[in-house]
Amino acid sequence: QSVLTQPPSVSGAPGQRVTISCTGSSSNIGADYDVHWYQQLPGTAPKLLIYLNNNRPSGVPDRFSGSKSGTSASLAITGLQAEDEADYYCQSFDSSLSAWVFGGGTTLTVL
Amino acid sequence: QITLKESGPTLVKPTQTLTLTCTFSQFSLYTSGVGVGWIRQPPGKALEWLALISGDDDRRYSPSLKSRLTITQDTSSENQVVLTMTNMAPVDTGTYYCVHRRRFGDFDSWGQGTLVTVSS
Repeated sequence: QSVLTQPPSVSGAPGQRVTISCTGSSSNIGADYDVHWYQQLPGTAPKLLIYLNNNRPSGVPDRFSGSKSGTSASLAITGLQAEDEADYYCQSFDSSLSAWVFGGGTTLTVL
Repeated sequence: QITLKESGPTLVKPTQTLTLTCTFSQFSLYTSGVGVGWIRQPPGKALEWLALISGDDDRRYSPSLKSRLTITQDTSSENQVVLTMTNMAPVDTGTYYCVHRRRFGDFDSWGQGTLVTVSS
């Protein structure tokens, strides 16, 4: 059971927009700790996709965006492409656990 | 460009101790806010943070695994971090990643990962 809750899977057709939610609690996201997102393509190491809630590292397309509100955060992907098929993870810090925590991951399928 | 690479055994027996080494380059652990950590991923499952060390020798551990983990900076090499995990069990099988943590609290660079299998 992950500290941060994500839907196991989402899907969308090419060109569509999808969102992935990440729900936490008052000891992590709700305590104003930042949320970061990672993309893991099949058979590869995770890659930082969004940092500090809504910032993209150099090289990440602006089709990817993040937001945070209250005890939750979201990752939005617009203009879906086949290459976006991957697992996506949110991450934050939990003050009760004094630990960095991840969501359970969401598998994105491009139909 | 920051690089990290994990090394260690690919197969360990139950009850044995796992020792993994992370060799990194293009950054200093002594830079404020920087840390080197370990994250693992069982086959087909989610990421799990294990441990992290900072340049001021601040060490943090996953609460659920704290009794089994030790993270240290190799005294003979300023660019190596070592993770030991005792009493390995089959459920510890997975890919172990070495990561660079920034002052933002994110993990911006990852090693390629090393698959560790626990089996007799």
